[in-house]
Amino acid sequence: EAQLLESGGGLVQSGGSLRLSCVASGFTFRNSAMNWVRQAPGKGLEWVSSVPDIGYTTYYVDSVKGRFTISRDNSQNTLYLQMNSLRAEDTAVYYCAKGSYGYWFEVWGQGTLVIVSS
Amino acid sequence: EIVMTQSPASLYVSPGERATLSCRASQSVSSKLAWYQQKPGHAPRLLIYGAFTRPTDIPARFSGSGSGTDFTLTISSLQSEDFAVYYCQQYDNWPLTFGGGTQVEIK
Repeated sequence: EAQLLESGGGLVQSGGSLRLSCVASGFTFRNSAMNWVRQAPGKGLEWVSSVPDIGYTTYYVDSVKGRFTISRDNSQNTLYLQMNSLRAEDTAVYYCAKGSYGYWFEVWGQGTLVIVSS
Repeated sequence: EIVMTQSPASLYVSPGERATLSCRASQSVSSKLAWYQQKPGHAPRLLIYGAFTRPTDIPARFSGSGSGTDFTLTISSLQSEDFAVYYCQQYDNWPLTFGGGTQVEIK
């Protein structure tokens, strides 16, 4: 069974940094596109970033470009999201999600909460 | 950016009744449309991809239809565990975008 386990969330001051991690198991990580999706408290889902299985192309929502960096370590079955210059509006539960050929999200982690205090 | 609009925002349905949820894209997304279910305090769950394809673990009472700009998720006979929020998502273009959600509540 495919599973994803996020960690690294917490309380950080505005302007600070956090690195989220997502450890994958139960599927061939190196063959899977991976994604981050977030959900602000009481709000809907917002896609944040994606990285394909191979190649160096990465994708970001405009609001995080230049501040967030997605990366993966296929040897450790781990996905990362480095978040710099955090803002109050980045406060959300961040989900790691396994993508498929067409970038729908077929497996989700339980989420990790990031709170940015101003 | 492709804007996804879901309607209605809330839907009140009795157990055993049919629920019909709509999702409209601001431009064509072909059949690159997914649906998710989310219960309070839980991560979303994939219900439908490719507009109408159901993963093997999803019950047959969930069905998707549509293409281009107009899509529908139908729950044929609502069970107690189906009361949740439902989101659509397009993956035809970057940025990937979600609809605002439809909350299905007990009537």
